[in-house]
Amino acid sequence: DTGVSQNPRHKITKRGQNVTFRCDPISEHNRLYWYRQTLGQGPEFLTYFQNEAQLEKSRLLSDRFSAERPKGSFSTLEIQRTEQGDSAMYLCASSFRGQWGYTFGSGTRLTVV
Amino acid sequence: GENVEQHPSTLSVQEGDSAVIKCTYSDSASNYFPWYKQELGKGPQLIIDIRSNVGEKKDQRIAVTLNKTAKHFSLHITETQPEDSAVYFCAATSDTGRRALTFGSGTRLQVQP
Repeated sequence: DTGVSQNPRHKITKRGQNVTFRCDPISEHNRLYWYRQTLGQGPEFLTYFQNEAQLEKSRLLSDRFSAERPKGSFSTLEIQRTEQGDSAMYLCASSFRGQWGYTFGSGTRLTVV
Repeated sequence: GENVEQHPSTLSVQEGDSAVIKCTYSDSASNYFPWYKQELGKGPQLIIDIRSNVGEKKDQRIAVTLNKTAKHFSLHITETQPEDSAVYFCAATSDTGRRALTFGSGTRLQVQP
């Protein structure tokens, strides 16, 4: 297992288009997190899954954002009708239920033009 | 909610010197304090963490100290090397359930050879 994998690494899209990102966590990790990181800032929590259940969504996650984790394995984050303010690095992380520390992926950098 | 402040925002040291990065947090219920290192183009990597039941933890050249009364914690790197150059983030959480982290805004450490 090579860690948390995120695809694509970079995405450039026009304003108003929909985009989808994928995260493959470490296989035995049952917790999965999405964070967003803008330039010069620390990551901000977006949402969290335990197995396939999405247990919490941050207020940062507007109705245009949706995340899924079918079968408790990989996860997808979709942004509909993208806006320039959505430009950021989207980070995925995973952990065991009893573990405090996360393992982050390398992120997907989204640029909305 | 939790608020984490981190300083300095940039830090330049000579190779072999020590570096100290400080963070304060607002929620007295916070009980887990990790530090992440982020290199260019990569996701954050956990380098050390501390739980609230201990005051100090060391791992080779890296140490973290925690003062719960003052609500601050610090990262100490001794004998710095050029490969320590990166952005460092502190984080905190009081949530034993989902364990969503609140991050500081980061410190860019430059180690001059």
